Amino acid sequence: EIVLTQSPGTLSLSPGETATLSCRASQSVSSSYLAWYQQKPGQAPRLLIYGASTRASGIPDRFSGGGSGTDFTLTISRLEPEDSAVYYCQQYGSTPTTFGQGTRLEIK
Amino acid sequence: EVQLVESGGGLVQPGGSLRLSCAASGFTFSSYWMYWVRQAPGKGLVWVSRINSDGSSTGYADSVKGRFTISRDNAKNTLFLQMNSLRAEDTAVYYCARAPKKNCTSTSCYMDVWGTGTTVTVSS
Repeated sequence: EIVLTQSPGTLSLSPGETATLSCRASQSVSSSYLAWYQQKPGQAPRLLIYGASTRASGIPDRFSGGGSGTDFTLTISRLEPEDSAVYYCQQYGSTPTTFGQGTRLEIK
Repeated sequence: EVQLVESGGGLVQPGGSLRLSCAASGFTFSSYWMYWVRQAPGKGLVWVSRINSDGSSTGYADSVKGRFTISRDNAKNTLFLQMNSLRAEDTAVYYCARAPKKNCTSTSCYMDVWGTGTTVTVSS
């Protein structure tokens, strides 16, 4: 199975700054079948990005995804306090689908 | 409004059984694959099981294969997860989630709508 490794584990930034989150796969993710989710405490995950770079419905353009093969990034620009959350990547290019361990984003 | 609502969680002894349900509303349930994903306390997301739109194809994580069974009733817009031979390591919040099927592989997909989750605790 494909192992996804997210870095950094925790990211602490100020409002207005830009966050860059990394997701590295142990094998190439076919057809860029990679998604990103946001999860706030006590809430269910929310889909942000699929197909590595396509924003889900209702997601602001401050959120952007990129990458291919084994290296993917989620970029959040103009950080707002409500962006504080844990972010997970998921690959669905091969079975079983797998998730990264998450990156915690703190807004100072 | 598109909504998924899980129920059926609770406290169960090791070796016991539980049946989770997920009631869907606001969309054509029978057109979508559905997933169960779990999250142990303080941990990340782990895929558990998936089922295709008509229930004819299912998949399971190795950790639950032979113990859990996913099913659906499209007439009642409901997804199920029958969990047998439960272990302490099955303790988690269980989420049901919808998979849109398009722009996915034949067996895996991303999840665009999630329920709020139901908590399963396996302990003596």
